[in-house]
Amino acid sequence: DQQVKQNSPSLSVQEGRISILNCDYTNSMFDYFLWYKKYPAEGPTFLISISSIKDKNEDGRFTVFLNKSAKHLSLHIVPSQPGDSAVYFCAASGRTGANNLFFGTGTRLTVIP
Amino acid sequence: DADVTQTPRNRITKTGKRIMLECSQTKGHDRMYWYRQDPGLGLRLIYYSFDVKDINKGEISDGYSVSRQAQAKFSLSLESAIPNQTALYFCATSDTPDRDSNEQFFGPGTRLTVL
Repeated sequence: DQQVKQNSPSLSVQEGRISILNCDYTNSMFDYFLWYKKYPAEGPTFLISISSIKDKNEDGRFTVFLNKSAKHLSLHIVPSQPGDSAVYFCAASGRTGANNLFFGTGTRLTVIP
Repeated sequence: DADVTQTPRNRITKTGKRIMLECSQTKGHDRMYWYRQDPGLGLRLIYYSFDVKDINKGEISDGYSVSRQAQAKFSLSLESAIPNQTALYFCATSDTPDRDSNEQFFGPGTRLTVL
């Protein structure tokens, strides 16, 4: 049973506009959430994270929003650039400190020049 | 040089063969992980190790075994490969998590095809 879900397999956005990638989770014990970016033939690379004590975390063009009551998080990229075209994975971990990550299925973002 | 390396990068094998995938890291992390990625399923955890003497099963460990030969090395074995083990395999490492950091660092992946 998929505990972390990314319901949009793909998203296309014009360069310069906002990209919004969504992620939902079912396990209320998840305490920490991460976004990874993956290019073809490479491993996932960490992008940004947020702990459950916050509802927003920002790093340059990337902002992650967490809505714990809705068990929903989103990644905003503003402005989107062609180099942002990649697959984005949402991941979550629990409070145990084991830091095992549960991944979503990924969203392929294409930024059109 | 890459912090997390995986060998081989690509492998084609036949059903029933024994296969070993190797992972090495220079990050000095105690924790290491093996994942597989299948289309439409994201990454799923196979095994993880918190130190040299610690091995734990993940979500999908059946058909796999691991060996933590040293802090820097974690290998994944398929004792008798089957076609549904065709996938992209990733090794990852992490430091002990704290409140503000739970990041894992991934290798480039091994594409395994079982015919």
